[in-house]
Amino acid sequence: SSELTQDPAVSAALGQTVRITCQGDSLRTYYVSWYQQKPGQAPVLVIYGENNRPSGIPDRFSGSRSGNTASLTITGAQSEDEADYYCHSRDSSTKLYVFGPGTTVTVL
Amino acid sequence: QVQLVQSGAEVKKPGSSVRVSCKTSGDTFSSYTISWVRQAPGQGLEWMGGITPFFDTTNYPQKFQGRITFTTDESTNTAYMDLSGLRPEDTAVYYCARGADAFHLWGQGTVVTVSS
Repeated sequence: SSELTQDPAVSAALGQTVRITCQGDSLRTYYVSWYQQKPGQAPVLVIYGENNRPSGIPDRFSGSRSGNTASLTITGAQSEDEADYYCHSRDSSTKLYVFGPGTTVTVL
Repeated sequence: QVQLVQSGAEVKKPGSSVRVSCKTSGDTFSSYTISWVRQAPGQGLEWMGGITPFFDTTNYPQKFQGRITFTTDESTNTAYMDLSGLRPEDTAVYYCARGADAFHLWGQGTVVTVSS
């Protein structure tokens, strides 16, 4: 399957842990990258590869993978982490790229 | 500081074509893949394909077959995305981004509106 699936929305209290998941057969083979997008702004890469953070991304963001599921974890969520989060990886059959549908994170 | 700077907003008629440009400043141009991503109003991100100038290779999903063309001008460090046969559902913000497996840098986005 070429699809990546994500929960539409996740919420957590300020300072708590938020976990966003991305599922797809291709994730057994390929790494996922994660993007944060705030309203009216371009996406920003927050995690890529095994569990790599670009310069400037806080260390409360981390990534992991198990089987066909990749996860983005925000440990100690802040109000500024409210955003849409998208996973991105390859399709296992075409080897081309695909995005997940996105997860809206609300920090209460 | 490396930046990707895109061309301005476009309003197009159905059936016409649009060209969006993406200029890289502050870094080597040909070493990286330039990918294109779009986002329809209120919708998620959609990967449209990419071009790697160094290898002169392009790829894109089947849904854009025959309608999309990616080119580069290394003399100006600029990548171009041409989309033809525009339909109202092509109305979206179009982004260029540097990278393939991960998009480390994004342009600011170009709004393309398709309306009669």
